[in-house]
Amino acid sequence: SQKIEQNSEALNIQEGKTATLTCNYTNYSPAYLQWYRQDPGRGPVFLLLIRENEKEKRKERLKVTFDTTLKQSLFHITASQPADSATYLCALDEGNYGQNFVFGPGTRLSVLP
Amino acid sequence: DTAVSQTPKYLVTQMGNDKSIKCEQNLGHDTMYWYKQDSKKFLKIMFSYNNKELIINETVPNRFSPKSPDKAHLNLHINSLELGDSAVYFCASSQAGRIGGGSYFGAGTRLSVL
Repeated sequence: SQKIEQNSEALNIQEGKTATLTCNYTNYSPAYLQWYRQDPGRGPVFLLLIRENEKEKRKERLKVTFDTTLKQSLFHITASQPADSATYLCALDEGNYGQNFVFGPGTRLSVLP
Repeated sequence: DTAVSQTPKYLVTQMGNDKSIKCEQNLGHDTMYWYKQDSKKFLKIMFSYNNKELIINETVPNRFSPKSPDKAHLNLHINSLELGDSAVYFCASSQAGRIGGGSYFGAGTRLSVL
């Protein structure tokens, strides 16, 4: 069956360190993968999208990698700050036309001062 | 200017009632969605609408029906509410076929069925 997993439910990290979150999927062949941030009581906010033919994508302190052979995406936050504390969700489009997004369970990141 | 707005923010109702949640987007997107996020925080797609056509309907009970009067609105009607319907419902929109961007979500409607 098709499944998306994120490495851990919760991750604690010290301020200034690099946070690395993992998204693994099985039985999908997505054309692209997305990462979202969700704060308590709010809707998810789109952060980054990476296509299957891209190995890496960067945006400010964020970096995403995509390995279609391993069926894995890594999400890095460098120089992490307490304001980065949130739940991070990966998502892929099962239909490949923006029709049927499937979200992972999320990883709750806490950046400790 | 809120990009995706949904109302109400909170909805408390009795089992068996019928209720609606409204959603509007001002982004000019052509695809809108409804998601359900349960108590375990799993976010699951319920419906996807593109140009007034239902594209995807997951295994959602037919008590749930999306209604789209125009491209900017996608309302969710729920009949005969059950306890298990208690969750947070999110509306979202995106520009289908343009995979450079993601989906924009509303703030959510927290539904409590008593």
